Amino acid sequence: DAGVTQSPTHLIKTRGQHVTLRCSPISGHKSVSWYQQVLGQGPQFIFQYYEKEERGRGNFPDRFSARQFPNYSSELNVNALLLGDSALYLCASSSTEYNEQFFGPGTRLTVL
Amino acid sequence: AQSVTQLDSQVPVFEEAPVELRCNYSSSVSVYLFWYVQYPNQGLQLLLKYLSGSTLVKGINGFEAEFNKSQTSFHLRKPSVHISDTAEYFCAVSALRGSTLGRLYFGRGTQLTVWP
Repeated sequence: DAGVTQSPTHLIKTRGQHVTLRCSPISGHKSVSWYQQVLGQGPQFIFQYYEKEERGRGNFPDRFSARQFPNYSSELNVNALLLGDSALYLCASSSTEYNEQFFGPGTRLTVL
Repeated sequence: AQSVTQLDSQVPVFEEAPVELRCNYSSSVSVYLFWYVQYPNQGLQLLLKYLSGSTLVKGINGFEAEFNKSQTSFHLRKPSVHISDTAEYFCAVSALRGSTLGRLYFGRGTQLTVWP
């Protein structure tokens, strides 16, 4: 069975640009969550979507936005990139909004 | 909200020795508890979880953890480690109800290094 997939694997951007990260959940999973993992720290919650509706938002600025599509895949968008946005961005899917989460391999974003 | 404290940032240990990685949590509501492992340049893999029932939980790769409600702890143990266990380990909690339902809150991680 295919797990959670994320694209791209790596991304290099410059300050001020915007970026779109993509995530495909495990088949049958309706909830997708996004996490940011800065080097040397644990992942931090950014967003949760369930049945295409935002169910939670972490302590991140409005430059961060996301959406979930009818097929339950999801995009994370970050505008006006800052150096501090450099991190591993992890996507996780679950069958419901409160069940066990399965993580993808992540997208490594580097902002120069 | 919930928070997690992993008491050791690095744990070096020799192969075949026992290991314990410590985790304490704080929450005003009941929680689910998890341990994840992260190998270099990879995502997170679930080792084990506590949802309810027996406080001793067994996971993959010979790991186990014990939930202690009175001490708000969920320490991870393995009786005999292998070099392949070298990785970063994260403890996480998730609320059963309330506005933060479904969100995972992680500790800062413990780097386990197994030496031959």
